[in-house]
Amino acid sequence: EIVLTQSPATLSLSPGERATLSCRASQSVSSYLAWYQQKPGQAPRLLIYDASNRATGIPARFSGSGSGTDFTLTISSLEPEDFAVYYCQQRSNWPGITFGQGTRLEIK
Amino acid sequence: EVQLVESGGGLVQPGRSLRLSCAASGFTFDDYAMHWVRQAPGKGLEWVSGISWNSGSIGYADSVKGRFTISRDNAKNSLYLQMNSLRAEDTALYYCAKDVLPLVAAALFDYWGQGTLVTVSS
Repeated sequence: EIVLTQSPATLSLSPGERATLSCRASQSVSSYLAWYQQKPGQAPRLLIYDASNRATGIPARFSGSGSGTDFTLTISSLEPEDFAVYYCQQRSNWPGITFGQGTRLEIK
Repeated sequence: EVQLVESGGGLVQPGRSLRLSCAASGFTFDDYAMHWVRQAPGKGLEWVSGISWNSGSIGYADSVKGRFTISRDNAKNSLYLQMNSLRAEDTALYYCAKDVLPLVAAALFDYWGQGTLVTVSS
């Protein structure tokens, strides 16, 4: 099983600041890495797929990068609605689909 | 508008069975693979199972293999999850999720339902 490790577990920032979230895979997942956002009481929302492609309707302040084992989700300037939990997910070795444990982005 | 509505959750004793359903609308159901993803209370996401558009390809997480069975009825725009031999660790909110492609191995989830809660307890 490919294990995805997200860091930090919690990130405390203020609106307007830049957020950098990390996801590291235990083995290469090529570019088959996605990012999801989940707010309390809501289902997850797809943000980024294949490491760097924004999903439909996702604002340009969200960007993804990386390949192989190291990936980053960047939010260039935090809006109040961006404070949530973020998960990475790999789909490189069907059916061994796995998610990271999540990073909680909280208001400082 | 894409809608996925899960049902069938509830309180069940360990070792018993439960069948979840997901009613889909707002898209051509038989053009896409579908999945179940669960989330234990206060925990992260865990992929459970997926099925291709024509049921020709199916996969399960190791944690449920041999106990859970995924199926779909394209005529009814519905997805199902038959859960047998339930354990306390199966307690979770179960989401139905639509794939972006017909192939189940794509495993990229662009729409999610609101989930149905399964509680396994004596």
